[in-house]
Amino acid sequence: EVQLVESGGGLVKPGRSLRLSCTASGFTFGDYAMSWFRQAPGKGLEWVGFIRSKAYGGTTEYAASVKGRFTISRDDSKSIAYLQMNSLKTEDTAVYYCTRVCSGSYYWGDYFDYWGQGTLVTVSS
Amino acid sequence: DIQMTQSPSSLSASVGDRVTITCRASQSISSYLNWYQQKPGKAPKLLIYAASSLQSGVPSRFSGSGSGTDFTLTISSLQPEDFATYYCQQSYSTPGFGPGTKVDIK
Repeated sequence: EVQLVESGGGLVKPGRSLRLSCTASGFTFGDYAMSWFRQAPGKGLEWVGFIRSKAYGGTTEYAASVKGRFTISRDDSKSIAYLQMNSLKTEDTAVYYCTRVCSGSYYWGDYFDYWGQGTLVTVSS
Repeated sequence: DIQMTQSPSSLSASVGDRVTITCRASQSISSYLNWYQQKPGKAPKLLIYAASSLQSGVPSRFSGSGSGTDFTLTISSLQPEDFATYYCQQSYSTPGFGPGTKVDIK
């Protein structure tokens, strides 16, 4: 059974940093791209970024709203994806979801077939 | 950026009703359109990918259609567990979602 478990959320002050982890099981983690999404309270879904599998260079792409502040990385030996969030702003407050991309990269037509339960990040002074 | 819209933003329906939700893209996205269901306090769940392909394990009362700019999600006979918010997502470019359609009990 595929499982994705996020951890690391919590309350943090504006300007500070936080690192989220996504621990995967039930599939060959290294074969898949992984992506992060977020959902502000009462709002819709927003893509944050993704990381391709090593077979596709392990490269990353980010939404404009987080580019330069957030970094996604992966440790295939531990089946963990990370979201490093720096220079946090109050508008980054959201539930953050880790997802599996249906392929090793993100191509036209790809989709997000498994989602974690989410972890809440609250940015407030 | 490709903008996604959904209509209606919310609807009230009864168990057994046929429900149709529409999603429109600001430019042609071929069939690169996915649908997700989200219940309160839960993660989204993939229902339909590539506009009309049913994800494994999803009941056959869910179906999707469309191509280009206009897409629909249909629930043929609404069940109690289907009351949720539904999102469309384009995968023609970096992922983008519609604003959601909330389906609640009439």
